[in-house]
Amino acid sequence: DSGVTQTPKHLITATGQRVTLRCSPRSGDLSVYWYQQSLDQGLQFLIHYYNGEERAKGNILERFSAQQFPDLHSELNLSSLELGDSALYFCASSVSSGGASTDTQYFGPGTRLTVL
Amino acid sequence: AQSVTQLGSHVSVSEGALVLLRCNYSSSVPPYLFWYVQYPNQGLQLLLKYTSAATLVKGINGFEAEFKKSETSFHLTKPSAHMSDAAEYFCAVSETGGFKTIFGAGTRLFVKA
Repeated sequence: DSGVTQTPKHLITATGQRVTLRCSPRSGDLSVYWYQQSLDQGLQFLIHYYNGEERAKGNILERFSAQQFPDLHSELNLSSLELGDSALYFCASSVSSGGASTDTQYFGPGTRLTVL
Repeated sequence: AQSVTQLGSHVSVSEGALVLLRCNYSSSVPPYLFWYVQYPNQGLQLLLKYTSAATLVKGINGFEAEFKKSETSFHLTKPSAHMSDAAEYFCAVSETGGFKTIFGAGTRLFVKA
């Protein structure tokens, strides 16, 4: 158990809908990272938040957004969902003072999103 | 821009045999390098990381990796495979002062009895 929790574990929804994925980092970790894992794209970095502020963006679509709240939990919002958004979405956390360079990232168990 | 290439999407070894998973990186500045393992239906777990100290890095579960700057490689090895090593392995790179970690496509390791 990494100490990172993600809810829900599974999510099935229809095209065009909007969903919210939730992540609670390990106690004491200030950084949260979101990744998308799919068969065709592999593991793609989406976005990194540190202590409530966005620090880095990766291959995140404009239909997707995220935020980190004062209690450090984070939410990833996916809207206007398409079939191709079906994937595993991982959240990771690290103690990070701001740079991801050497940080060990602790991954949650993931949320499996299926868009029908 | 940094990138990671893992050679071989699937590797199969016999139990007790040497495990060698290959990773080459590209980075414009000194990199930090990581190996993560993912067991079925689980998140990724750090095996080991290179942060510019010793070039031979020892990790958990008997794995180790050697940073070779001249070859831009960071291959993962284990002298003797165990059935429990069957999983997917990801090599990753981040840059000094950077905020992103870039992952390779992964190598699935199969261990035959």
